[in-house]
Amino acid sequence: AQSVTQPDIHITVSEGASLELRCNYSYGATPYLFWYVQSPGQGLQLLLKYFSGDTLVQGIKGFEAEFKRSQSSFNLRKPSVHWSDAAEYFCAVQDSNYQLIWGAGTKLIIKP
Amino acid sequence: KAGVTQTPRYLIKTRGQQVTLSCSPISGHRSVSWYQQTPGQGLQFLFEYFSETQRNKGNFPGRFSGRQFSNSRSEMNVSTLELGDSALYLCASSLPSGRQETQYFGPGTRLLVL
Repeated sequence: AQSVTQPDIHITVSEGASLELRCNYSYGATPYLFWYVQSPGQGLQLLLKYFSGDTLVQGIKGFEAEFKRSQSSFNLRKPSVHWSDAAEYFCAVQDSNYQLIWGAGTKLIIKP
Repeated sequence: KAGVTQTPRYLIKTRGQQVTLSCSPISGHRSVSWYQQTPGQGLQFLFEYFSETQRNKGNFPGRFSGRQFSNSRSEMNVSTLELGDSALYLCASSLPSGRQETQYFGPGTRLLVL
């Protein structure tokens, strides 16, 4: 069955430190992968997506993600976090009906 | 280009009532999907409409229904509200473009059922 796992419910990072949020997927065919961010009380904003090609994908707000087929992973990274990055981050894979299967989300907390 | 808009942003209803939520997609987008987000269940797909037809449906009871108009605007309706229907309801629009489809989300409607 198709699924997405985000193993970390919460992550706390100091401002200015690097960040990596983990995402593992289970999907039989070529996965189409997404990262979205949700600020409190807001909708979801697309950070980046992977369809094909270069496995290192650049997104908005300085985020990048790397697709690793051998590890079924699509981890999100940022070299230096800002207080405004505090939010919840969701990884998703597109299923065969073009709908999104979501991970449970990782809440990012920034320490000053 | 204006983003996805959803109205109302907040709603308070009582059990047994019904509610209608509205979604206006990005101009030119013809597909609209609806999701329910709760702390316990996370993000769950409700249904998707394309060209006024329901194209996909998630695993929700028949109390949840939707429709799409010729201008691609969509509404979802929940009848006989239950306490468990309290959630953030998100609408997303897309072109669509087949397998490489990207969904863009609105701010959501927060529904509280008392």
